[in-house]
Amino acid sequence: EADIYQTPRYLVIGTGKKITLECSQTMGHDKMYWYQQDPGMELHLIHYSYGVNSTEKGDLSSESTVSRIRTEHFPLTLESARPSHTSQYLCASSKSGGVGSYGYTFGSGTRLTVV
Amino acid sequence: AQSVTQPDIHITVSEGASLELRCNYSYGATPYLFWYVQSPGQGLQLLLKYFSGDTLVQGIKGFEAEFKRSQSSFNLRKPSVHWSDAAEYFCAVSNNNDMRFGAGTRLTVKP
Repeated sequence: EADIYQTPRYLVIGTGKKITLECSQTMGHDKMYWYQQDPGMELHLIHYSYGVNSTEKGDLSSESTVSRIRTEHFPLTLESARPSHTSQYLCASSKSGGVGSYGYTFGSGTRLTVV
Repeated sequence: AQSVTQPDIHITVSEGASLELRCNYSYGATPYLFWYVQSPGQGLQLLLKYFSGDTLVQGIKGFEAEFKRSQSSFNLRKPSVHWSDAAEYFCAVSNNNDMRFGAGTRLTVKP
């Protein structure tokens, strides 16, 4: 079944650690996105990619980085985690040809807590 | 740039009662409009979307939404709410290139 997968679902990590949040999709979508979600706030776009070797920063300033070496894989890395990075991170993908036509497919999210 | 406002942070309705969640958008051209639902600990699931055609759009789980250009609104409705509808609901607007989300409305369903 075509889907989008995020691992881990929950992560508690100490300050200063390097972490990578994984996102993979089996739908062959070209466009992929990372959003940060905090309670009562709108989703904030932190990174996006329109294809292999294409990555851009979103609206929300983030200390994370992303890579897109394969179409199906879009990992997000924090080089040095801080308590301010505590949040839920959502990965999404969309077909090419217009986001409006297809909308986004979301993963289940990674809940990150930095202590 | 497009933006979305969901005026209600939290709504409580009784099971079996009707529901309307409000959404107002700002966009210069005809927008693509979406409603998503998020259950606790889950990602967002698409309920319905609108771009053109009939202004009343039917979605999954018995939801519908009506596009009103004059009011820049895209309100979500359901005639009879079920306990399983308790979740967070997000309205979103797209210019066909990216998508902006509202802050969400949390729905509580009373027995």
